[in-house]
Amino acid sequence: EVQLVESGGGLVQPGGSLRLSCAASGFTFSNYGMHWVRQAPGKGLVWVSRINSGGGGRGHADSVKGRFIISRDDAKSTLYLQMNSLTAGDTALYYCGREGVAGGLDVWGQGIAVTVSS
Amino acid sequence: QSALTQPPSASGSPGQSVTISCTGTSSDIGRYNYVSWYQHLPGKAPKLLIYDVTKRPSGVPDRFSGSKSGNTASLTVSGLQAEDESNYYCSSYGGNDIFVFGTGTEVTVL
Repeated sequence: EVQLVESGGGLVQPGGSLRLSCAASGFTFSNYGMHWVRQAPGKGLVWVSRINSGGGGRGHADSVKGRFIISRDDAKSTLYLQMNSLTAGDTALYYCGREGVAGGLDVWGQGIAVTVSS
Repeated sequence: QSALTQPPSASGSPGQSVTISCTGTSSDIGRYNYVSWYQHLPGKAPKLLIYDVTKRPSGVPDRFSGSKSGNTASLTVSGLQAEDESNYYCSSYGGNDIFVFGTGTEVTVL
């Protein structure tokens, strides 16, 4: 079964750091670009980051650029999101997604909650 | 990186059609055919409905169709069913490994 499972979320103080993981199974992880997308409480989906297959190309939304870093470990079939200098505005449910044909995210995880609060 | 613009809400009676617009710029929708549409209920995993502007993944009913003209993409849901009541988001590639989502549209089946 093709599956993505996020972990690493939780409660963190403003200014703190957190690393999210997304474990992939059921497909050849190294062949696919991967994304992080988030949804703040009561708000819409917002694209966060993308890394291409091979890891040579990475993009981040302006709102997280310089604070978040997307990476991948193909040997472990795992995607990461290192989040630094967190603010209340980063409080959200974070989803990882697999990039299929023409940029469509065809497989999604169930999401992991991140709460930034003192 | 401004979000793509969608109407906040849309509605229709069962059996009718509803069309959702998604307006971007010449740097995203106008430049690339990497336009996708998603169906999403809060707290659930989003579902890919349309990719490459017009293509449907296997398992997605042909009641869902996509199109694009200039800087605006559209999703049409024909033959509305109660199960179509959800939130819908568009997405586009913006170049340089950057993507952008739309503001989202809540569809209500009357």
